[in-house]
Amino acid sequence: EDKVVQSPLSLVVHEGDTVTLNCSYEVTNFRSLLWYKQEKKAPTFLFMLTSSGIEKKSGRLSSILDKKELFSILNITATQTGDSAVYLCAGGTNFGNEKLTFGTGTRLTIIP
Amino acid sequence: GAVVSQHPSWVICKSGTSVKIECRSLDFQATTMFWYRQFPKQSLMLMATSNEGSKATYEQGVEKDKFLINHASLTLSTLTVTSAHPEDSSFYICSACRAPGTDTQYFGPGTRLTVL
Repeated sequence: EDKVVQSPLSLVVHEGDTVTLNCSYEVTNFRSLLWYKQEKKAPTFLFMLTSSGIEKKSGRLSSILDKKELFSILNITATQTGDSAVYLCAGGTNFGNEKLTFGTGTRLTIIP
Repeated sequence: GAVVSQHPSWVICKSGTSVKIECRSLDFQATTMFWYRQFPKQSLMLMATSNEGSKATYEQGVEKDKFLINHASLTLSTLTVTSAHPEDSSFYICSACRAPGTDTQYFGPGTRLTVL
């Protein structure tokens, strides 16, 4: 059975801190690892990673995939209160358009 | 681009009634749509994969006679929860892909169902 595990389950930091969120996966026929941010409603897409060692960056967020260790991290630098959300990672068997197996998420809270 | 809408955004119904939730891709055609369910403080669990013009593929443990899925066009998929019970209360989210093989899933805003 496919499995995605995220850690920590929750994290509380002060504004301005840097955080690293972890995601490990066991997905049959793995092709892609996706990160989503979920606030009150449905998840919004952050990154899709398909190649090992190539960092993807968007503003203060960055992510990288290690296909040998079956692991990905999401970094957020200079955190802001608007970064407070649940961050979900998901393993996919295609480029995110087939079945996604989601982790339980990391609930990030940024204290002003 | 890649906007997905859901209707209604929330619904409250009595036990035993049926509820229909619509998922629309507003600015693209989606040959594949997905339906997820999310219980409080849990992650998204895939219920079924819906392909336009064919029967949906249900995940293990999801009753296809209870959760009816219709993908009648390239921009619309519907999920009908039949004979709803309080344990069906959940957050139902759909997603859609623009182009098979090259693109990720874009999620709708979700529908919160409460069955009394």
